[in-house]
Order: sequence, then structure tokens, then C-alpha cells
Amino acid sequence: GAVVSQHPSRVICKSGTSVKIECRSLDFQATTMFWYRQFPKQSLMLMATSNEGSKATYEQGVEKDKFLINHASLTLSTLTVTSAHPEDSSFYICSALSIAGETDTQYFGPGTRLTVL
Amino acid sequence: DQQVKQNSPSLSVQEGRISILNCDYTNSMFDYFLWYKKYPAEGPTFLISISSIKDKNEDGRFTVFLNKSAKHLSLHIVPSQPGDSAVYFCAASGDTGFQKLVFGTGTRLLVSP
Repeated sequence: GAVVSQHPSRVICKSGTSVKIECRSLDFQATTMFWYRQFPKQSLMLMATSNEGSKATYEQGVEKDKFLINHASLTLSTLTVTSAHPEDSSFYICSALSIAGETDTQYFGPGTRLTVL
Repeated sequence: DQQVKQNSPSLSVQEGRISILNCDYTNSMFDYFLWYKKYPAEGPTFLISISSIKDKNEDGRFTVFLNKSAKHLSLHIVPSQPGDSAVYFCAASGDTGFQKLVFGTGTRLLVSP
């Protein structure tokens, strides 16, 4: 099956620093990747859609200057949380879109737990 | 505004019995629905999906039913196994783009031996 990896799985940083999270599709190419955030006991909320070779599309309420997304290749998208603050602490999950047959399927990475002190 | 709702935060079932997880949606533009299973500290794993042109899709122990008029879908797991214990999310797409998913809040399923 399709495999998506994320790195790091956990990160703890000081307030004001920046953190980069990588999302890779390991056995397929993905022109489209998605970044989600999940707060405790809540659903996954889509933050942005990342398209290879073009600018990301951000959902309403998500600051594009704070959450920088780069989709430099067909297998890698990165999310950089700039000037992180404690309220940015969350579980960040990426997904990669696999287009096969009649339907598209999103395959999710294992997530990154970000804790900002 | 929660467009996809899973009103039961948790469900407990005995091994071998049927598990029924429910999901309601409000946006009539949704035309594709998916169920994901998620373990703690892991990303969701795709289980099964259904297009709005169908009312049932089956894959092994998992069956998804869609009632468009009621804007309701359900996931049936039979027979339930302890390894099925996880959080189950339903998701929908079709409003602003085929691939953009709107997730429900999840239902935690516990299957006891």
C-alpha cells in the first residue's frame, strides 16, 4: 500500500523558534499533499493544500506567513511553523493524494507532535 | 460550524458482535465519503469509502451504508475484533474540491474480548 512518512515524530521547542516538519510519499508521487492539525479530542482540521511547484492554498483562518509550506518535489512537502508559540502546540498530520483508477485516496503520515514551551 | 458530525464519542462492543458507527453531514454538496481508523499518536488509516451514487459498499468485515436523503452514513464492522479498537473518523468531500476532506470528530471504539 501507499506509505507516507513524517519527520520528526515529536518535537519540543522554545517559544519564538521555528520548526520544520517533513512529509514524504515513499512509494508514489504526489502532486498534492495536505496539512492538517488536530487538537485533543477534536477532528482533523485542514490547514492548507500543498501543490508541487506552486503556492499552497490556505484554509480560512490559517496564517500563511506563520505556517510556511513548500512542496519542492513530487515526494516531499515541508511545513515550517515560524515563531512558534505555546498555542501552536498540536498534532500535525500530512497526507499525500494518490490518484489511481476511479478514485483519489489520501494516505496519511503518522503525524508530528509539536510542543512549544 | 461542524459539517460532519459523529454524535457518539465512544462505543463499546463485545468481540464477535456487530459495531455500528454513525456519521451525519449537513452539506448536500458532499458526494464522496470515507472512513478512517486512527490509533493514538498515529495518522489515520483509510478503511473504506463510498460514492454518493451508491448506497452500500462492502469490503470484508467492513460495510458502509449511505442514506443521502437523511444525510447519514454508517460503518458496520462484523464480526468485531479487539484489534478494531481505535478511533474512527468519517470524512466527506465534494464541496470545494474532490480531494479536500472534512472530518468528523471521531468515535472511539472499544472491542472487549
